[in-house]
Amino acid sequence: DTGVSQNPRHKITKRGQNVTFRCDPISEHNRLYWYRQTLGQGPEFLTYFQNEAQLEKSRLLSDRFSAERPKGSFSTLEIQRTEQGDSAMYLCASRSPIRGGYGYTFGSGTRLTVV
Amino acid sequence: GIQVEQSPPDLILQEGANSTLRCNFSDSVNNLQWFHQNPWGQLINLFYIPSGTKQNGRLSATTVATERYSLLYISSSQTTDSGVYFCAVRMDSSYKLIFGSGTRLLVRP
Repeated sequence: DTGVSQNPRHKITKRGQNVTFRCDPISEHNRLYWYRQTLGQGPEFLTYFQNEAQLEKSRLLSDRFSAERPKGSFSTLEIQRTEQGDSAMYLCASRSPIRGGYGYTFGSGTRLTVV
Repeated sequence: GIQVEQSPPDLILQEGANSTLRCNFSDSVNNLQWFHQNPWGQLINLFYIPSGTKQNGRLSATTVATERYSLLYISSSQTTDSGVYFCAVRMDSSYKLIFGSGTRLLVRP
């Protein structure tokens, strides 16, 4: 098991362009989370999937943000019409279905820079 | 919403020293986690500790849920302990972890 994989590691885009990030969770983890982290701050929750169902979304996830998890495997996060304020590290985490909570595994993140 | 406050915000230690990091939260929680983010940005889950005390090597954590705080103890610190330590909580009504703003630790050789 290679952990949670995120691609790309870095993305530089021009304002107004669309970007898509991918997260491959640990294979047996049915719970998947997206977080956003800006410099000097803790991660902020964006959205949560249990299998293929999106069960919670933050108000931070505006109309320009959408996330999917087809077939309950990998997930994608798309940002449309990017703005400079979207520049951040986007983190994905997966979690074991075993009740208890001691199972958050984070990926290395995708760093987005909007110029 | 729930507030998560961590102290101190910054901490510099000499290698070998001990330290205590604190996390206060403003409401009842059913899940409390401690994470370490290394200088390369990787977040590592250290403890799941909604109550009680746990130890893992040189690290230990205590949560007093009734008084709404948690403590992370680092003993005999090493340079590899440097990074940011985050406390994160979850309430019954939500799936999300709410992170504090972290304690930035620098351990000098």
